[in-house]
Amino acid sequence: QVQLQESGPGLVRPSETLSLNCSVSGDSIRSGTHYWGWIRQPPGKGLEWIGNIYETGATYYNPSLKSRVTIFEDSSRNQISLKLSSVTAADTAVYYCARLDCDGGACYSVIYFFMAVWGRGTTVTVSS
Amino acid sequence: QSVLTQPPSASGTPGQRVTISCSGNSANIGNNYVSWFQQFPGKAPKLLIYKTRQRPSGVPDRFSGSKSGTSASLAISDFRSEDEADYHCAAWDDKLSGVVFGGGTRVTAL
Repeated sequence: QVQLQESGPGLVRPSETLSLNCSVSGDSIRSGTHYWGWIRQPPGKGLEWIGNIYETGATYYNPSLKSRVTIFEDSSRNQISLKLSSVTAADTAVYYCARLDCDGGACYSVIYFFMAVWGRGTTVTVSS
Repeated sequence: QSVLTQPPSASGTPGQRVTISCSGNSANIGNNYVSWFQQFPGKAPKLLIYKTRQRPSGVPDRFSGSKSGTSASLAISDFRSEDEADYHCAAWDDKLSGVVFGGGTRVTAL
């Protein structure tokens, strides 16, 4: 059974870069059958999509975060990583990683994938 | 401000049917599948509905999804106190080339 575990600093200073890892067990990030994604949830608010990555390295980012976000994979560690630069208090949130699945034959585009498995999340606070 | 619009709250009496709406436009709900997630306080979201109306294994058939035009709905039939949670809708947006979420709906028992 696949499990995802987020990890990283719980406190980041304003203007610095937030770095998080998502360790995947029970599946390979290079299986070729899934996308992997990051989602965040500010305190008391709804979910916000950050971005997706496929094993080819193809990425899709939220336009509102695109200039500050990088998602990449480390196949040797079976991890998906997130970097968010120039953080402010508005980036304070619980950050989740997720595995995106596709059901059925139309799996040739990212638009047919859905967030099927989620990690438990990790809380990141941006404060001096 | 979320791209998809959900009512902030909804409530139901045990045994009753509860419906949650999710409103979008032709770039997202109108042209793509919708997912629904259930989230308990302090916990990670859990997939409830995918491809607008499909249930993952293990999700009770009391939960059902539907779509009409640019709006989607999640229905909980035979509502139970254990269904008290936040529910979030999501869809791909062709104009933004990304996933958009609703603001979430908190469902409580009366």
